Amino acid sequence: AQKVTQAQTEISVVEKEDVTLDCVYETRDTTYYLFWYKQPPSGELVFLIRRNSFDEQNEISGRYSWNFQKSTSSFNFTITASQVVDSAVYFCALSEARSGGGADGLTFGKGTHLIIQP
Amino acid sequence: NAGVTQTPKFRILKIGQSMTLQCAQDMNHNYMYWYRQDPGMGLKLIYYSVGAGITDKGEVPNGYNVSRSTTEDFPLRLELAAPSQTSVYFCASIADGRSAEAFFGQGTRLTVV
Repeated sequence: AQKVTQAQTEISVVEKEDVTLDCVYETRDTTYYLFWYKQPPSGELVFLIRRNSFDEQNEISGRYSWNFQKSTSSFNFTITASQVVDSAVYFCALSEARSGGGADGLTFGKGTHLIIQP
Repeated sequence: NAGVTQTPKFRILKIGQSMTLQCAQDMNHNYMYWYRQDPGMGLKLIYYSVGAGITDKGEVPNGYNVSRSTTEDFPLRLELAAPSQTSVYFCASIADGRSAEAFFGQGTRLTVV
């Protein structure tokens, strides 16, 4: 069965510091998809990124970057020059692609609560 | 384009009462899901549907029922509410396959007292 572990329950940093959120996953499939979602205090879930298992290229989007390493089964998320608006709970999630169809949903980690202090 | 719409946003139920959480999407997505989010526990899958007339259990289905009579709607039914069902419920939809982005509703905060 698949599993996603976010070992950091809560991280607190001062604004403008860089911060990395860790995500480690387990799956038996060779084809799978990894996601990051942001949940601000307002409660909605905001999609940040999707990565498939065949694409290990790191990705950068503004102050956000993601490091995908299959060798360590990790998909870490770094925020550079953090801002107060980055304060939120961040979820890493995994979706397996099995043959035969049937999209049986995402497996989420427990989330990391990121606090950016001014 | 409204995306995924959940109603109500908040609800307080007494133990033993029943209610239906509504979820509708206007993107013609085949796959729809219900998750619950408990504090510090991430989201867990309750039920999912890969198309009208087809539903299946997720990780935590006990105490819930679903139906999918149309592509657009995927209601979640609680028959006998229990305090353990106090949670935030999210509905989501995906166009096709597991690679696509999941679109989430705004959530329903349910308290059972």
